[in-house]
Amino acid sequence: EDQVTQSPEALRLQEGESSSLNCSYTVSGLRGLFWYRQDPGKGPEFLFTLYSAGEEKEKERLKATLTKKESFLHITAPKPEDSATYLCAVRWSNAGNMLTFGGGTRLMVKP
Amino acid sequence: DGGITQSPKYLFRKEGQNVTLSCEQNLNHDAMYWYRQDPGQGLRLIYYSQIVNDFQKGDIAEGYSVSREKKESFPLTVTSAQKNPTAFYLCASWGGVGETQYFGPGTRLLVL
Repeated sequence: EDQVTQSPEALRLQEGESSSLNCSYTVSGLRGLFWYRQDPGKGPEFLFTLYSAGEEKEKERLKATLTKKESFLHITAPKPEDSATYLCAVRWSNAGNMLTFGGGTRLMVKP
Repeated sequence: DGGITQSPKYLFRKEGQNVTLSCEQNLNHDAMYWYRQDPGQGLRLIYYSQIVNDFQKGDIAEGYSVSREKKESFPLTVTSAQKNPTAFYLCASWGGVGETQYFGPGTRLLVL
């Protein structure tokens, strides 16, 4: 069964302390890997889509990278406003426009 | 402004009662989805619709029903058969330049 696993489940950082979030997936024909940010009580907000190994995308303090088996969301010098749950999702090549979501990483950045 | 709206923001259900969650989009997207999110967990697919008058069960469809009579609307009914309905419900649609799923603000369902 195709699966998406995110780690860690929760991450506490001090403001300015850079780190990475991981999203690993079973290899079964990746058509796209998506990153979303979700604030408490709100719907997920789209961040990035990655399509092939070696691809990178950046937005402010966030950089997403992709290998053949996992994706990383690197957070450089985070600020308290970066605190949120980050979700990754995979679009499999045989699943049309359906996404399989990981469990999310809850990021807390303390000032 | 184009987007997805969900109403109400909070919904209370009495035991044995059916309740309906609204989802409307003005993005002109064909495909729409309903997800359930439990605390500290990811999203689980309830139902999806690729086109008007057609919909398919997702991974956890038992106790739920949907309709898709208009392109813009995809309401979800939580029936009395759903014994554990307390959760955050998210509606999404597929499309856009980069082709991704866009989400509404969500409805939190609580049981009285």
